[in-house]
Amino acid sequence: DAGVIQSPRHEVTEMGQEVTLRCKPISGHNSLFWYRQTMMRGLELLIYFNNNVPIDDSGMPEDRFSAKMPNASFSTLKIQPSEPRDSAVYFCASSPGTHFSRPQPQHFGDGTRLSIL
Amino acid sequence: KNEVEQSPQNLTAQEGEFITINCSYSVGISALHWLQQHPGGGIVSLFMLSSGKKKHGRLIATINIQEKHSSLHITASHPRDSAVYICAVEKVSDKLIFGTGTRLQVFP
Repeated sequence: DAGVIQSPRHEVTEMGQEVTLRCKPISGHNSLFWYRQTMMRGLELLIYFNNNVPIDDSGMPEDRFSAKMPNASFSTLKIQPSEPRDSAVYFCASSPGTHFSRPQPQHFGDGTRLSIL
Repeated sequence: KNEVEQSPQNLTAQEGEFITINCSYSVGISALHWLQQHPGGGIVSLFMLSSGKKKHGRLIATINIQEKHSSLHITASHPRDSAVYICAVEKVSDKLIFGTGTRLQVFP
């Protein structure tokens, strides 16, 4: 079982550049989540998908952030243009999803540590 | 006021001690999750519970729905238990709201 795979593990770039973070969920999982973790705010949900459809994007900070899930095995989180305050660790997680009658545990990737200079 | 409050924020213990981390929440939930984040940064789901008690090895999680409170206990603590423990509540399908975490250090 490969787990949730995120890439890159680390990204350092200059402000104004476009940043793309990638996530491959566990095969068969129908729900995918993007989280951001900072020292100041802890873990926050940015957006989540169910069956490739965005369900709740209320946590996306502003229009500079966008997320897509073109198929069940791949999602991207894009920041354009990036700013220093976007520096954080970004986690992707997946779960079997809401078609089950009860809540399911989430499986987290190792995260992408993003630094915007 | 945060919807999920954890205490203590920081905790140090000697190896072998019994440890308790508390989580209180102010909203109706479908489930409560306990997560562990090691210094390397990875996050692991320890427990998900809606009622009662669950045990896995030296870890025990309890929840009292009426009092909106959960505890995570570690028996016979070990230095490898040193990590940040995060409580998260699930309000509607799948969406988690996180506490700020409890940083635990266990010294030999």
